[in-house]
Amino acid sequence: GQNIDQPTEMTATEGAIVQINCTYQTSGFNGLFWYQQHAGEAPTFLSYNVLDGLEEKGRFSSFLSRSKGYSYLLLKELQMKDSASYLCAIDSWGKLQFGAGTQVVVTP
Amino acid sequence: DSGVTQTPKHLITATGQRVTLRCSPRSGDLSVYWYQQSLDQGLQFLIQYYNGEERAKGNILERFSAQQFPDLHSELNLSSLELGDSALYFCASSAGARGQSTDTQYFGPGTRLTVL
Repeated sequence: GQNIDQPTEMTATEGAIVQINCTYQTSGFNGLFWYQQHAGEAPTFLSYNVLDGLEEKGRFSSFLSRSKGYSYLLLKELQMKDSASYLCAIDSWGKLQFGAGTQVVVTP
Repeated sequence: DSGVTQTPKHLITATGQRVTLRCSPRSGDLSVYWYQQSLDQGLQFLIQYYNGEERAKGNILERFSAQQFPDLHSELNLSSLELGDSALYFCASSAGARGQSTDTQYFGPGTRLTVL
């Protein structure tokens, strides 16, 4: 199996930084995705890590450590529109296994 | 807008009925994936098709079936519906098949199915 764990909810202030952790247990996988999902809407692609290390994309960065079974998504300069659920997903060659998601609440 | 379209947007039906959900992938994408998202189960992978052929299967019930047509659109058929089948059903598409190193899946807006 691929147990994927994320915190259920995080709250942060507008302009701040939040780090969402994702831990997993799997014997092998192609890469790890992060998606953002607003309530009732489709998940939208944020980032994809294949190799260990940090991938930076504007205000969002994602990190992967295969040896530690760990990834995180870093959201900088938080904006109100960043309030959403953030889903970590293991990519087993096309078959995505999603975590339950972390609901991020951004307060003024 | 991801470029993936799904119809209908909402569907309300009764237990025991059968429904068909439709998905058109992004232009040029050959792979189509179906997911179910319910409150208690999160986002669950159901099935993948690549260029008309089934490529991967997840937690798809025997009452559910899917196919991908020559024009690459896909349909998900749900039969003998139960209350527990009420969920959001998402379709996603990607350029290639399983095995490619970077193959981002882009999700459609979903179909909200309510079984009464």
